[in-house]
Amino acid sequence: DGGITQSPKYLFRKEGQNVTLSCEQNLNHDAMYWYRQDPGQGLRLIYYSQIVNDFQKGDIAEGYSVSREKKESFPLTVTSAQKNPTAFYLCASRTGFYNEQFFGPGTRLTVL
Amino acid sequence: QKEVEQNSGPLSVPEGAIASLNCTYSDRVSQSFFWYRQYSGKSPELIMSIYSNGDKEDGRFTAQLNKASQYVSLLIRDSQPSDSATYLCAVPNTGNQFYFGTGTSLTVIP
Repeated sequence: DGGITQSPKYLFRKEGQNVTLSCEQNLNHDAMYWYRQDPGQGLRLIYYSQIVNDFQKGDIAEGYSVSREKKESFPLTVTSAQKNPTAFYLCASRTGFYNEQFFGPGTRLTVL
Repeated sequence: QKEVEQNSGPLSVPEGAIASLNCTYSDRVSQSFFWYRQYSGKSPELIMSIYSNGDKEDGRFTAQLNKASQYVSLLIRDSQPSDSATYLCAVPNTGNQFYFGTGTSLTVIP
């Protein structure tokens, strides 16, 4: 089955810890994205990558880091510098021709 | 002005009625437009894509695009309780970043 997987589904972080959220896709899409969604709010772009070994900051990149070593994988690290990381994190990938973006199931991060 | 604006609602319609959701965008060069449905606690699901002026129908859903007026709408005919969700409008810019509206919450009352 083709699709986007994110793990874990739920993640709990203690203050001062770095955590890494996994995102994998087997759709052969070049572009991948990370968004953050807070309750009752829209999607805010954290980072995006259009090709392997290249990525750009979005609107709220501070306190986050990413890597894109493989086309299929785009992991997001939430660092201790991110002061309010509790949110729903969504990974997406985009088709090349029709520009359609598809989302993974999301990871819900809670800071204890 | 935000890049993409939607009425936040909430919008309530009786079962079987037509639900009308609207979205305006600011980037005149945008070429593609998308509607997503998001159930509570779940990720957004792409339900409609539209690229040219006019109407595009897919089952009970119709997307309408008017580039001159910079708006795109989504009509849901014969609304069902299972259509109750938040609907997000998305418009990519020339740099392949996507701008999302804050979403319109729809409740279909049985």
